[in-house]
Amino acid sequence: SQKIEQNSEALNIQEGKTATLTCNYTNYSPAYLQWYRQDPGRGPVFLLLIRENEKEKRKERLKVTFDTTLKQSLFHITASQPADSATYLCALGGGADGLTFGKGTHLIIQP
Amino acid sequence: EPEVTQTPSHQVTQMGQEVILRCVPISNHLYFYWYRQILGQKVEFLVSFYNNEISEKSEIFDDQFSVERPDGSNFTLKIRSTKLEDSAMYFCASLPGQGADTQYFGPGTRLTVL
Repeated sequence: SQKIEQNSEALNIQEGKTATLTCNYTNYSPAYLQWYRQDPGRGPVFLLLIRENEKEKRKERLKVTFDTTLKQSLFHITASQPADSATYLCALGGGADGLTFGKGTHLIIQP
Repeated sequence: EPEVTQTPSHQVTQMGQEVILRCVPISNHLYFYWYRQILGQKVEFLVSFYNNEISEKSEIFDDQFSVERPDGSNFTLKIRSTKLEDSAMYFCASLPGQGADTQYFGPGTRLTVL
């Protein structure tokens, strides 16, 4: 069955540094990989989507890479701020299909 | 900006009771979804719905669950006889249509089964 692993349950980063989150997957060849942000008690909020034929995608301070050979995506937040503190979810799939989520990485940006 | 809305925000029920969770997807979206998240665990896909019928469902979505779009705006999830393990956050999501990539999630309904 499909399996998604996100690098750590929690990640502490100092404000201003770049946060890098990892998503690894097995037994799947997704056409899309997505990253969502989830705050406590709230629904996931879409951040970025990257397709299998794309290597990198950027949006403001966010960058996603997708390596289909390694079966890995990296999610970067540059110039991190305390407001970036949240849980970040990796999800496989897109389009009309149901999404398969990882458990998430809880990111804490310390002032 | 249009949003998916869900009611109620918190539902408490007794084991064995029926519950209906309600969602209003974004207007003009064509695909609708339900996901659940048990406390401390990952978000799990339950079911997708398009053109007034289920298009995909997971193993979790057994005979105790049903979905309906009773009118042009609401999308509901019914659990017939709730169990303790149904306690979770339930998220509704919608997608504009074929060719769109991104699902938009609602704020969720916290279901507590006692």
